[in-house]
Amino acid sequence: AQKVTQAQTEISVVEKEDVTLDCVYETRDTTYYLFWYKQPPSGELVFLIRRNSFDEQNEISGRYSWNFQKSTSSFNFTITASQVVDSAVYFCVTYRMDSSYKLIFGSGTRLLVRP
Amino acid sequence: EAQVTQNPRYLITVTGKKLTVTCSQNMNHEYMSWYRQDPGLGLRQIYYSMNVEVTDKGDVPEGYKVSRKEKRNFPLILESPSPNQTSLYFCASSPTPGQPQHFGDGTRLSIL
Repeated sequence: AQKVTQAQTEISVVEKEDVTLDCVYETRDTTYYLFWYKQPPSGELVFLIRRNSFDEQNEISGRYSWNFQKSTSSFNFTITASQVVDSAVYFCVTYRMDSSYKLIFGSGTRLLVRP
Repeated sequence: EAQVTQNPRYLITVTGKKLTVTCSQNMNHEYMSWYRQDPGLGLRQIYYSMNVEVTDKGDVPEGYKVSRKEKRNFPLILESPSPNQTSLYFCASSPTPGQPQHFGDGTRLSIL
């Protein structure tokens, strides 16, 4: 069965600290997509990144970076020099490219960045 | 402006009283889906639709119905709501399921 594990339920850091949010996924498929979404306190869901299973290149976008490692089935998200505005719940999501067309969300990691 | 619109945003109702949450998107997306969000469980997919008249169950479909008579609309129907359906509901759309989802603002349902 497809599954996404975000073992860190809550993380609290002080502003300017670096923080890594872990995501471990399970799939027997060779073709799949991985996503990260952010849900700030206002409640909306914001897309951050998509990766397909054939692209293991790490990605950096400003203070955000993602580390995709198929060998460990992980897709971790790092925020460098965290800011209070980064406080949110972050979801890791997988989509398996078979006939099910289902998206599987992890349970989310709540990040609190304290001033 | 590209958007997914859900209505109502908030609803308090009683057990057994049928209700419909509407969802409309203006991006001509083929894929639409409904999720419920509960504390500690993340978002779980209720139903999804690949196109008009094509719908299928997600992971938690019990107690819900959907229809897709037009491409832009994907209503979620609770025929006989029960308290365990109290939750925050999101509708989303995308061109295909492998592309980023556009989410609505959410509907908070309380079933008493």
